Amino acid sequence: QQPVQSPQAVILREGEDAVINCSSSKALYSVHWYRQKHGEAPVFLMILLKGGEQKGHEKISASFNEKKQQSSLYLTASQLSYSGTYFCGTVTWDNYGQNFVFGPGTRLSVLP
Amino acid sequence: NAGVTQTPKFQVLKTGQSMTLQCAQDMNHNSMYWYRQDPGMGLRLIYYSASEGTTDKGEVPNGYNVSRLNKREFSLRLESAAPSQTSVYFCASSGGESQPQHFGDGTRLSIL
Repeated sequence: QQPVQSPQAVILREGEDAVINCSSSKALYSVHWYRQKHGEAPVFLMILLKGGEQKGHEKISASFNEKKQQSSLYLTASQLSYSGTYFCGTVTWDNYGQNFVFGPGTRLSVLP
Repeated sequence: NAGVTQTPKFQVLKTGQSMTLQCAQDMNHNSMYWYRQDPGMGLRLIYYSASEGTTDKGEVPNGYNVSRLNKREFSLRLESAAPSQTSVYFCASSGGESQPQHFGDGTRLSIL
């Protein structure tokens, strides 16, 4: 089942912060985050595994709350280069094994 | 270091024609994936292959077939193209379900 992302879209000025949320109705094994710029392929940002760890990548970090079955992506002091669509991908288990599903995406626009 | 290579990059077909999209990776990854992305939408999984010799249906497999020719190559075939299959097709590979997915540049397919 597809995870839910919020917000659907957000507009920022350079230097502002943003939070993108990803939630699942199923227990999560891990969460991936990707960024896709217009006309390009998605690019991997980070993976978070069970255990509630927080990871960082330059000024982009993420957390994983296993209990709430959700992950949040934090973009601080946003730059123009952060513009794009952010997708979470969730890994869950069922009787047939692991399942990976992308969320619908959050479109982020950073303005000068 | 090529990563994931998709061919062709662009293709225009007439309804009813068939074609095969090619994908090859040089990262010695076990898992390979085919996604489609419609304008303004997220990535939907068509088929995936967890290892050489195995393939499984994803969310939207109807109208497509796949072949995992060897560890490097994973092809997607449209037997009788329909306008609803107009989309951007991405191939990806990873070391496993909880490993980063690396994407090719995509094939932009239009069916008239």
